[in-house]
Amino acid sequence: SQQGEEDPQALSIQEGENATMNCSYKTSINNLQWYRQNSGRGLVHLILIRSNEREKHSGRLRVTLDTSKKSSSLLITASRAADTASYFCATLNQAGTALIFGKGTTLSVSS
Amino acid sequence: GAVVSQHPSRVICKSGTSVKIECRSLDFQATTMFWYRQFPKKSLMLMATSNEGSKATYEQGVEKDKFLINHASLTLSTLTVTSAHPEDSSFYICSARDAAASGSTGELFFGEGSRLTVL
Repeated sequence: SQQGEEDPQALSIQEGENATMNCSYKTSINNLQWYRQNSGRGLVHLILIRSNEREKHSGRLRVTLDTSKKSSSLLITASRAADTASYFCATLNQAGTALIFGKGTTLSVSS
Repeated sequence: GAVVSQHPSRVICKSGTSVKIECRSLDFQATTMFWYRQFPKKSLMLMATSNEGSKATYEQGVEKDKFLINHASLTLSTLTVTSAHPEDSSFYICSARDAAASGSTGELFFGEGSRLTVL
């Protein structure tokens, strides 16, 4: 079963705009991760935020975590056409052995 | 970063045949590898956790006899889709964790996926 649920399912923006994707999860977590997938390709790890962190930055990426609401957001600033991809949040399963992925947000950035 | 190689990237087979997909960690040892299945425009569904030298742990609803997983070495896991049928057509993705570098909560490294089409 899936742990995370991303919102929105699809997002279309213009280059230069910011893109915000949200993720909600169900159980308690040690950390939450965000991954990116280009169409028909494997996934690439973007960023990991631990449960005791509220915000983390990596380049143009900003991730927030609200454990009280069981939610996280991924913000991509100054988006580029190359940011076009699907973005997934992921958390460990209850056994702590494997990553479970949300449904993903498909981002389209037009130039 | 660590590299995971998955082969073949695309395979087309006839119904009833078996197909083997390989997943290799190229520059690290992976005691645990994971196999996911992804339907078009959908998320990744965990199929099984592959443990080196022991039996794989399958998720609920995944047929063990249908999807055979072997993890014979620290750098290789294979998924064999046996007696494939059109409904098995999907995108299969493997991933691995570099336990030495990232520990049990760290990132996963993914292969590029294998697109299986069963005619």
